[in-house]
Amino acid sequence: AQSVTQLDSHVSVSEGTPVLLRCNYSSSYSPSLFWYVQHPNKGLQLLLKYTSAATLVKGINGFEAEFKKSETSFHLTKPSAHMSDAAEYFCVVSEIPSGGSYIPTFGRGTSLIVHP
Amino acid sequence: GAGVSQSPSNKVTEKGKDVELRCDPISGHTALYWYRQRLGQGLEFLIYFQGNSAPDKSGLPSDRFSAERTGESVSTLTIQRTQQEDSAVYLCASSSLAGEGRETQYFGPGTRLLVL
Repeated sequence: AQSVTQLDSHVSVSEGTPVLLRCNYSSSYSPSLFWYVQHPNKGLQLLLKYTSAATLVKGINGFEAEFKKSETSFHLTKPSAHMSDAAEYFCVVSEIPSGGSYIPTFGRGTSLIVHP
Repeated sequence: GAGVSQSPSNKVTEKGKDVELRCDPISGHTALYWYRQRLGQGLEFLIYFQGNSAPDKSGLPSDRFSAERTGESVSTLTIQRTQQEDSAVYLCASSSLAGEGRETQYFGPGTRLLVL
């Protein structure tokens, strides 16, 4: 079985400071991990994904995430926050089951607030 | 090219009425997902279609919910005898070949359902 926990429901940063959104996962198989972003009144958009290649994954808008199997984590980071980064961020796990369909599990979301 | 589209964008209905929500996936995408997102919550999986295989209905919350998909095209989600607890944003996503859960999902803008 798979599960994902986003450790913070809200993260507040000042513009220009680093961003860290934390995600821990649980999976019985080799998981694929994703981060999606949802801006207000807009659809979800993929930021980046890990699919068993390089453990450090770079995404759009300067975001990156590192897959750490020993810590079962996939934290999302950005060196310098921009006002336009204010949005809801979802961590997603999708494992390869030994049969059945590939249903991803979404975290509850982290709301990123960026102060000027 | 065109993304995932959903209609209507907003729907207000009275308790006890039936509603039908529509999703047009990206052309050529064989996988289609329906999710429910309650206010301030993460995404709740409802149903998954993959090509001509039997759909995975494991996320449907009750027998009032049903969905259909014709081939690899349009899907409709039907909620019968709506209840106030059904009020939420209903999101549709599509993806290409189900390559072991590694595909990016492309989301529609959602249908915001309000049951009075």
